[in-house]
Amino acid sequence: GQNIDQPTEMTATEGAIVQINCTYQTSGFNGLFWYQQHAGEAPTFLSYNVLDGLEEKGRFSSFLSRSKGYSYLLLKELQMKDSASYLCAVRDGSGAGSYQLTFGKGTKLSVIP
Amino acid sequence: DADVTQTPRNRITKTGKRIMLECSQTKGHDRMYWYRQDPGLGLRLIYYSFDVKDINKGEISDGYSVSRQAQAKFSLSLESAIPNQTALYFCATSDDYSYEQYFGPGTRLTVT
Repeated sequence: GQNIDQPTEMTATEGAIVQINCTYQTSGFNGLFWYQQHAGEAPTFLSYNVLDGLEEKGRFSSFLSRSKGYSYLLLKELQMKDSASYLCAVRDGSGAGSYQLTFGKGTKLSVIP
Repeated sequence: DADVTQTPRNRITKTGKRIMLECSQTKGHDRMYWYRQDPGLGLRLIYYSFDVKDINKGEISDGYSVSRQAQAKFSLSLESAIPNQTALYFCATSDDYSYEQYFGPGTRLTVT
């Protein structure tokens, strides 16, 4: 099974940098994902990490440490439109469950002027 | 047009009624998923299907059933709706090798 923890809410200032952490405990691991979800809308894919290290994509970066069961999503130069929930999800790497995602409860980020 | 569509987008029904939520996709993906989302609980997997002949229970399948009518269509049924099935329901798809799931716009279901 999977156990995924991330903070419930965070607030940050426009133009600043914010780091959203995610810790996980899994019986099998085959990748960690970050999704963005605006209120009332569908989640959209942000990033994917399967190897240790940092993946950078524009203003967003994601980091993974498999030995520590830890990831973070880094958002730079925050904009008001970044106000959303950020979902951490782990993909099961074992047998028939492969490619099945288990989601954390999400972190609601509020960006203030 | 959207790649993953869900109908209806909103539905209010009464306890005990049978209801079907439908999902269609034009992405040509074999894998399809149904999730429900509740405030404070995140997204939870109800059922998933890796192809037309392969259907699997997810974390919270009790009270739900599914039908994979074709590669492009995956329906979720509540045989006898109850109030604690009030939630936002999402359909998603992925191909056999991709790490990304593509979500539909969601169906907001209220059971009174």
